Amino acid sequence: GAGVSQSPSNKVTEKGKDVELRCDPISGHTALYWYRQSLGQGLEFLIYFQGNSAPDKSGLPSDRFSAERTGGSVSTLTIQRTQQEDSAVYLCASSRTVATNEKLFFGSGTQLSVL
Amino acid sequence: GEDVEQSLFLSVREGDSSVINCTYTDSSSTYLYWYKQEPGAGLQLLTYIFSNMDMKQDQRLTVLLNKKDKHLSLRIADTQTGDSAIYFCAESSGNTGKLIFGQGTTLQVKP
Repeated sequence: GAGVSQSPSNKVTEKGKDVELRCDPISGHTALYWYRQSLGQGLEFLIYFQGNSAPDKSGLPSDRFSAERTGGSVSTLTIQRTQQEDSAVYLCASSRTVATNEKLFFGSGTQLSVL
Repeated sequence: GEDVEQSLFLSVREGDSSVINCTYTDSSSTYLYWYKQEPGAGLQLLTYIFSNMDMKQDQRLTVLLNKKDKHLSLRIADTQTGDSAIYFCAESSGNTGKLIFGQGTTLQVKP
């Protein structure tokens, strides 16, 4: 596609429910990243995928968070038993590779509100 | 561990220069970046600098890097109201494209 697409753009859920956030990276981009942007917290790295390599999950805040990337393209971030502190904007980005000088292209994010 | 710090807010008048500052901790970072986030939008790469450079200029943007002090700055000349946004400093982590971001500096440009 023309850019990184994320859906839904907004998600309101009740505490304790599971949510799934979707990311469609730019076609041909092998690297895909998830970040979380909380008010006043900046961007927090969550996880990244590079091709068929094992993902770097070092930023996932708890075992309630998981992500998968099917067929090296679309990725889904799942948050189980959501808590109010999970409320944030979840940003997805992709790049051609994980080389250090690669430009990351970001989606517009999913605004998650946990009531 | 890796950490990137920025001041949270800067207000300037239209036509003035803006300077946004950032400090980072990972001396092995190969590249340092400035991203811009406009309201309701994702982040957009503005510019980046290789760690063996001191300065990079791109039209109205000047990036200065003091590697000894681990200090990075972004100067925007002739700041316009359209420059109002949040500016994020980021450092690369290890030999990957994984970026560590600062908290972001909100730039307010007054007419």
